[in-house]
Amino acid sequence: QVQLVQSGAEVKKPGASVKVSCKASGYTFTSYGISWVRQAPGQGLEWVGWISAYKGNTNYAQKLQGRVTMTTDTSTSTAYMELRSLRSDDTAVYYCARIKGGYWGQGTLVTVSS
Amino acid sequence: QAVVTQEPSLTVSPGGTVTLTCGSSTGAVTSGHWPYWLQQKPGQAPRTLIYDTSNKHSWAPARFSGSLLGGKAALTLSGAQPEDEAEYYCLLSYSGIVVFGGGTKLTVL
Repeated sequence: QVQLVQSGAEVKKPGASVKVSCKASGYTFTSYGISWVRQAPGQGLEWVGWISAYKGNTNYAQKLQGRVTMTTDTSTSTAYMELRSLRSDDTAVYYCARIKGGYWGQGTLVTVSS
Repeated sequence: QAVVTQEPSLTVSPGGTVTLTCGSSTGAVTSGHWPYWLQQKPGQAPRTLIYDTSNKHSWAPARFSGSLLGGKAALTLSGAQPEDEAEYYCLLSYSGIVVFGGGTKLTVL
């Protein structure tokens, strides 16, 4: 069965970077893109961006352009999302998702606090 | 960027029927927006119920259905159960850019 398993919770200071991983299994990794979505405490879902697991081309949300980088490692079927220059309003649960077909990871809480 | 609108909250009686809608600031929602409907319960990850307008995910109960209605995407719940109380999000795609609606809090009461 399709599974997306994310890395554990992170606590970072303002200005630092965080890199979240998402390991896929149960399907051919390069056949689908991976999206990243975040949810601040008590708020709705916000699309962060998307990466093609086949070609590596990306599409990022305009408000995060310049601070976010998405990559994949096809040898381990793992997607990564790195967010730099963290601010307190980046505190959120970050989800990876294979939106096509409707599969989601369990989420990774990233807390930005001094 | 497009804005996707949903009813902030709705209430349905147990066994009743309710329709949630998903509109776009750019005009009518079409199948080309690949509408998705997600269900999220407190403390849990979102779960896809409907994809590509009306296709039901394998784990979605039969009482959920998706459609296009009056220029919007719609999620209809027929025969509401207490366990259907949750937040529901729609998702539209605009040439590769994904935009979520603000969510509808559905109360079964």
